[in-house]
Amino acid sequence: DVKVTQSSRYLVKRTGEKVFLECVQDMDHENMFWYRQDPGLGLRLIYFSYDVKMKEKGDIPEGYSVSREKKERFSLILESASTNQTSMYLCASRPQTGYYGYTFGSGTRLTVV
Amino acid sequence: GQNIDQPTEMTATEGAIVQINCTYQTSGFNGLFWYQQHAGEAPTFLSYNVLDGLEEKGRFSSFLSRSKGYSYLLLKELQMKDSASYLCAVRDKGAGSYQLTFGKGTKLSVIP
Repeated sequence: DVKVTQSSRYLVKRTGEKVFLECVQDMDHENMFWYRQDPGLGLRLIYFSYDVKMKEKGDIPEGYSVSREKKERFSLILESASTNQTSMYLCASRPQTGYYGYTFGSGTRLTVV
Repeated sequence: GQNIDQPTEMTATEGAIVQINCTYQTSGFNGLFWYQQHAGEAPTFLSYNVLDGLEEKGRFSSFLSRSKGYSYLLLKELQMKDSASYLCAVRDKGAGSYQLTFGKGTKLSVIP
């Protein structure tokens, strides 16, 4: 069964901390994505990567960066966590070609205190 | 850019049929997806439409009209486990075709 795995289900961090959210997929997918999901706002794209070492800004990249050193792993970095980054973070992947939707990870609920 | 609208909440009775609408405005169009998301869980893929018409998959069907910028998800023989949020998402044509833009989701409550 194909899988997208996010390293933490729940995370609590302090304001100002550097936070790493990890996502690993075992499907050899080229494209990977990071979204955050907030009540009333839906899913909003933070960053995506269409291949190794490639990255593109999404709709709300401010305060975030990403790393894609290997095809299977896409990391989201909060350089200096703030309370307004408290959210559910969802990673997703899809193959480069074909009419495929995303496969999502189970999400990381991050609380910044 | 894209603008996607769907109702915020809906309530329906177990055993009934419910239709969840989605309208979109996009500069280019390369497919529309429906996802189901139970509370606290990740979205899971339900359906995909790229051509006009109805796609049927068991109790769930999805319809697309590209000229009207309109889609709906039809759920038949509702079950309690269908209580979830339903997300409409559009894929843009062109340079950004890797990514989906999601609507805010419709929270469906199925009552006995």
